[in-house]
Amino acid sequence: DAGVTQSPTHLIKTRGQQVTLRCSPKSGHDTVSWYQQALGQGPQFIFQYYEEEERQRGNFPDRFSGHQFPNYSSELNVNALLLGDSALYLCASSLMAGVQPQHFGDGTRLSIL
Amino acid sequence: AQKITQTQPGMFVQEKEAVTLDCTYDTSDPSYGLFWYKQPSSGEMIFLIYQGSYDQQNATEGRYSLNFQKARKSANLVISASQLGDSAMYFCAMSEISSGSARQLTFGSGTQLTVLP
Repeated sequence: DAGVTQSPTHLIKTRGQQVTLRCSPKSGHDTVSWYQQALGQGPQFIFQYYEEEERQRGNFPDRFSGHQFPNYSSELNVNALLLGDSALYLCASSLMAGVQPQHFGDGTRLSIL
Repeated sequence: AQKITQTQPGMFVQEKEAVTLDCTYDTSDPSYGLFWYKQPSSGEMIFLIYQGSYDQQNATEGRYSLNFQKARKSANLVISASQLGDSAMYFCAMSEISSGSARQLTFGSGTQLTVLP
């Protein structure tokens, strides 16, 4: 039973560039959420996708956008990268029905130079 | 206002002893869920235990138990018989269910636990 998988594991970009991170949810899950975790802090909620639509959004600018595909996998896109975007980006999946614990992937570590 | 507060940046415990990690929360939503996650240095976030606001009994999962005191708005994690592999960062998190944010987790700042041999 495959868990949540994220790619790539590490990524180095420069300011102003654009980046796409990918996530495949745990088998059977239909909801994907993205979190940003800066060094030494707890994760911050970016947004959540269900049925290919953004359902909820945290306090992040429009530079952060996403997509969910029919197979429930998801992408996180960040445009016009800033130094402050350097962080661990975590993808989590769950079922929309009921209150289920979210299962996290290993994350993508993004470094902005 | 911070919704999840973890006041212990770091904790040390001797192997085989029990340890309590503190968590207090703030919400006006009558229906909410409380979670604890473990994050080793490798980065993955591992789900440990869940407590619903209407659950009458404290949640337990193996060596983990959650000391839920609703009136005090606290949800402390108790790890019994600590093992060296328990050394990690521990996060308390909450979701507010009535507001429609059941799958939006708000995390605390974490507690770094070190188990000493």
